[in-house]
Amino acid sequence: DSGVTQTPKHLITATGQRVTLRCSPRSGDLSVYWYQQSLDQGLQFLIQYYNGEERAKGNILERFSAQQFPDLHSELNLSSLELGDSALYFCASSPSRADYTFGSGTRLTVV
Amino acid sequence: AQTVTQSQPEMSVQEAETVTLSCTYDTSESDYYLFWYKQPPSRQMILVIRQEAYKQQNATENRFSVNFQKAAKSFSLKISDSQLGDAAMYFCAYNRYRDDKIIFGKGTRLHILP
Repeated sequence: DSGVTQTPKHLITATGQRVTLRCSPRSGDLSVYWYQQSLDQGLQFLIQYYNGEERAKGNILERFSAQQFPDLHSELNLSSLELGDSALYFCASSPSRADYTFGSGTRLTVV
Repeated sequence: AQTVTQSQPEMSVQEAETVTLSCTYDTSESDYYLFWYKQPPSRQMILVIRQEAYKQQNATENRFSVNFQKAAKSFSLKISDSQLGDAAMYFCAYNRYRDDKIIFGKGTRLHILP
C-alpha cells in the first residue's frame, strides 16, 4: 500500500456519460497530481492541486475537471466520455518537490 | 519544451545478466531531477531511482544504477543480476526545479528470460 488511495479501481461506462474518480493523498501531502496513461503511452500530466488551489495544468481536455477539497482528497470529473478516454488514470501526491507517491490507478473503459 | 525519449520500446535479458535501458531528455534548465519508475503488471508506479542534476555522482540503489551524462542529456538505467521480478515497463522521467509535474517517456518493456 503506497498510502495514496484511488477509487474505484475499475470503471466501465458508456459513451456520453460522466464519471468521477477519487484520490486520497498520503497523510500530510498537500499536492495532488492527475495523470492519464493511454494504451502504449507514457503518463500524460493532466492537472495539479496544492492545498485546494489549482497550481498547474497540462493537456487536460475541457470535458475534464478536477478539484481538491479541504480534507485534501481530490476528484477528477470526466464528462461526455468518448471511446478515446479509455485509459488508466493515476493520482500521485507529494509533500515536496521530487518526492512523489502514486496510487494504483483507476482503469476506465468507455464502451 | 522538455521532452523525454526512450528509444527502446522492448528489451529482453537473460536472468542473472545485466541490461541497460536508455533515456535521453531535452531541456534548457540546469537544475532538475531525473527518475526511473517501474510499472509491473500490477500497474503500480514504483520509484526505482532518482538523480539530482547538480550531483555528479551517479545514483545507485542495490542492483540498480544510473549513468547520468548531463552534457549529453543522457540518463540510462543499468540493472545488474536481473531477476524475474524485474520484468516490467520502465519509465524514464524528468522534473525541473521550477515545476512540480513530471514528464515521462513512453517506456521500455523489459522481459526477463529464465
